[in-house]
Amino acid sequence: AAGVIQSPRHLIKEKRETATLKCYPIPRHDTVYWYQQGPGQDPQFLISFYEKMQSDKGSIPDRFSAQQFSDYHSELNMSSLELGDSALYFCASSLTAEAFFGQGTRLTVV
Amino acid sequence: GIQVEQSPPDLILQEGANSTLRCNFSDSVNNLQWFHQNPWGQLINLFYIPSGTKQNGRLSATTVATERYSLLYISSSQTTDSGVYFCAVGGKAAGNKLTFGGGTRVLVKP
Repeated sequence: AAGVIQSPRHLIKEKRETATLKCYPIPRHDTVYWYQQGPGQDPQFLISFYEKMQSDKGSIPDRFSAQQFSDYHSELNMSSLELGDSALYFCASSLTAEAFFGQGTRLTVV
Repeated sequence: GIQVEQSPPDLILQEGANSTLRCNFSDSVNNLQWFHQNPWGQLINLFYIPSGTKQNGRLSATTVATERYSLLYISSSQTTDSGVYFCAVGGKAAGNKLTFGGGTRVLVKP
């Protein structure tokens, strides 16, 4: 069965640089979520999209933005990166309530 | 927002032992999922169980929604069961986003 695809799997950026993370949801899923998991922490909700419209927003820094495109893939754009942005970033998708997670993008800011 | 508490925070098991992980939540939910995060960081769906009981091989789960708790049972544990187990809930007022508990870190020794 198709799963949620995230790219890249690993990313190393320097402070103040910009990063773009991509997410391809499971086909026919209408909702996409982004989560951030810091070292030793649980995943925290950032933002979600339903049918390409932003549906909910969590603790997402103003330096971050996201969108969902006409083909339903989503991108998380992160600017002015800080050391504290180093984390595992998950994308998830759902059709009903159950969410399915991608393998994550591990971002390291140096 | 919804509060999610998991216990115990850490669990060390001998291979072949059984264990019970608990998840308490503070409000009515319409979504409850159990995940296993393996050492590579992948979040693997174990159960979607907002209520009732389900079993999948050596794992089973029960959610008593009226009493706001869920239990995950691991029987005949194997070293591959090691990792962090997360409970995550979604409330009716919270849309479909998930709030994660702090996780239970499980180590199964051979």
